[in-house]
Amino acid sequence: GDSVTQMEGPVTLSEEAFLTINCTYTATGYPSLFWYVQYPGEGLQLLLKATKADDKGSNKGFEATYRKETTSFHLEKGSVQVSDSAVYFCALKYSGAGSYQLTFGKGTKLSVIP
Amino acid sequence: EAEVAQSPRYKITEKSQAVAFWCDPISGHATLYWYRQILGQGPELLVQFQDESVVDDSQLPKDRFSAERLKGVDSTLKIQPAELGDSAMYLCASSLVDTSYEQYFGPGTRLTVT
Repeated sequence: GDSVTQMEGPVTLSEEAFLTINCTYTATGYPSLFWYVQYPGEGLQLLLKATKADDKGSNKGFEATYRKETTSFHLEKGSVQVSDSAVYFCALKYSGAGSYQLTFGKGTKLSVIP
Repeated sequence: EAEVAQSPRYKITEKSQAVAFWCDPISGHATLYWYRQILGQGPELLVQFQDESVVDDSQLPKDRFSAERLKGVDSTLKIQPAELGDSAMYLCASSLVDTSYEQYFGPGTRLTVT
């Protein structure tokens, strides 16, 4: 079945450092890909998405490019802030019979220190 | 800004007891999802409703879990009897229509079974 694999955490970075969180997927067909973020004590929020190969999703300084040839959707940010500390989830949209469920990776916890 | 409401936020219960969680989706959202998120894992779909009808409950342990959305608005997820392995975060999400990419998540209910 469809699955998502993302890099193990936790990741600790200093403020203004470059961030990469790797995500690869296994899927039949052409899924849509997402990054969700979960801040402490809150629910998940959609960070960015890409619906087809070579699409680049971007939001709040974060970017990810849908790479069909490497089945990857790595999350990047050029300069992280303390406020980016959260858990980041890569996900794909699975189309079953009448269902459009999201399949999530295990999450990567990011801590940014001043 | 409209939000998905969930209650309670935290619940501690003893093994073999019954427990229930409530979710109120964003007004006008026809699709409602219940996810279970075990610590250190990504969310996994338990059940999906379209209005008052169940679209997908293939991952719901039906011997002990039940879910309803009687009037197609708010929803209740019940566990009876609770087991130690049910300790997790239970997340509710809603979206406008089934094919909508963006699911809006509530803050979750953290269940601890002792």
